[in-house]
Amino acid sequence: AQSVTQLGSHVSVSEGALVLLRCNYSSSVPPYLFWYVQYPNQGLQLLLKYTSAATLVKGINGFEAEFKKSETSFHLTKPSAHMSDAAEYFCAVSKNTGGFKTIFGAGTRLFVKA
Amino acid sequence: GAVVSQHPSRVICKSGTSVKIECRSLDFQATTMFWYRQFPKQSLMLMATSNEGSKATYEQGVEKDKFLINHASLTLSTLTVTSAHPEDSSFYICSASLAGGSDTQYFGPGTRLTVL
Repeated sequence: AQSVTQLGSHVSVSEGALVLLRCNYSSSVPPYLFWYVQYPNQGLQLLLKYTSAATLVKGINGFEAEFKKSETSFHLTKPSAHMSDAAEYFCAVSKNTGGFKTIFGAGTRLFVKA
Repeated sequence: GAVVSQHPSRVICKSGTSVKIECRSLDFQATTMFWYRQFPKQSLMLMATSNEGSKATYEQGVEKDKFLINHASLTLSTLTVTSAHPEDSSFYICSASLAGGSDTQYFGPGTRLTVL
């Protein structure tokens, strides 16, 4: 069975500081991994995805994530936080079992302080 | 590209009535659509997987007679909440995958349902 664990329901950083959102997964087969962002009362927007190509994945808005199989992790980072990055972030895992079914983590709320 | 819309964005209804939510893929064909519900400050919970032309597959614990899903075309899936009750109040989000199979889901903006 697949599962996703996001460490920390809330993360607070200062504007300009490094953003690090943690995600660990479990999967019996090589997974597809995703990070999504959700702004209040909106749907989800794909930030980036890992699909067994390069382990360091670059996404939109300056975010990137590194797939580490040995640590079963897929942490999301951004070198310098911006006020507009304040949102809810979800890590997700899926696998192709005749169709893709995605399991979401509990989410991490990112606060950015001026 | 890959835009998914939902209608309505917000709906308020009385207890006991039925509410239909539409999910459309605007610029691509979606073989598979997914329906999620999200409670305040919580993650998305998959309710069902909807494949065009066939019956939806519901997750464990989701009542298929209460949450009717129809996927009549490659661009439209509907979720009908029948005999809605206050506990059905939630944020409902759909997503769609490209025809031919794709690892990426494209999400709609969500529908806020409030049942009085």
